Amino acid sequence: DAGVIQSPRHEVTEMGQEVTLRCKPISGHNSLFWYRQTMMRGLELLIYFNNNVPIDDSGMPEDRFSAKMPNASFSTLKIQPSEPRDSAVYFCASSYLAGPSTDTQYFGPGTRLTVL
Amino acid sequence: DAKTTQPPSMDCAEGRAANLPCNHSTISGNEYVYWYRQIHSQGPQYIIHGLKNNETNEMASLIITEDRKSSTLILPHATLRDTAVYYCIVRSGDSGYALNFGKGTSLLVTP
Repeated sequence: DAGVIQSPRHEVTEMGQEVTLRCKPISGHNSLFWYRQTMMRGLELLIYFNNNVPIDDSGMPEDRFSAKMPNASFSTLKIQPSEPRDSAVYFCASSYLAGPSTDTQYFGPGTRLTVL
Repeated sequence: DAKTTQPPSMDCAEGRAANLPCNHSTISGNEYVYWYRQIHSQGPQYIIHGLKNNETNEMASLIITEDRKSSTLILPHATLRDTAVYYCIVRSGDSGYALNFGKGTSLLVTP
């Protein structure tokens, strides 16, 4: 398996532009997570999907951020309009959650976003 | 989920065992101890997890004290490639999702 795939790996954009980050989870996994990492705040969960349904989006900073998972093999995280404070590394992770038991999350390589 | 406390940094000589401590004194009965690491510029990587018993896999060993209030991750023969930030995370088996990464321990393996 190729692991979790994210694109693009690097994105540089100007303030006010729309940014779309993409993620392909590991085949067979039923849970998908978007995390953001900054020096100030560390790694923080933005949103979690289970079986393509958003379960917890309490970590999404504000209405400028939206995430979708139209099918089991694809998810997007969109920022519109982008701001300099959105500059961070965005990680996607997937896992197979089979019930009230533990699961292992597998992370992608991340997308480094710079908003000028 | 219970809070964890880790030293901010540690050094280890290449070839020696690296012992990374974690304190989780408020852990409850159904919470697991997870360890992940993040090598510079890469995504976090799962290492090992456990509930009560000590665990071992091809990467590391996890020693959990009998009262479960602390644990130690052991890398038996550290290599330069083990230089990374190591995160100890306590998570309920019922929570089903978020990993709450703290600041972790920055391990430097030296030649």
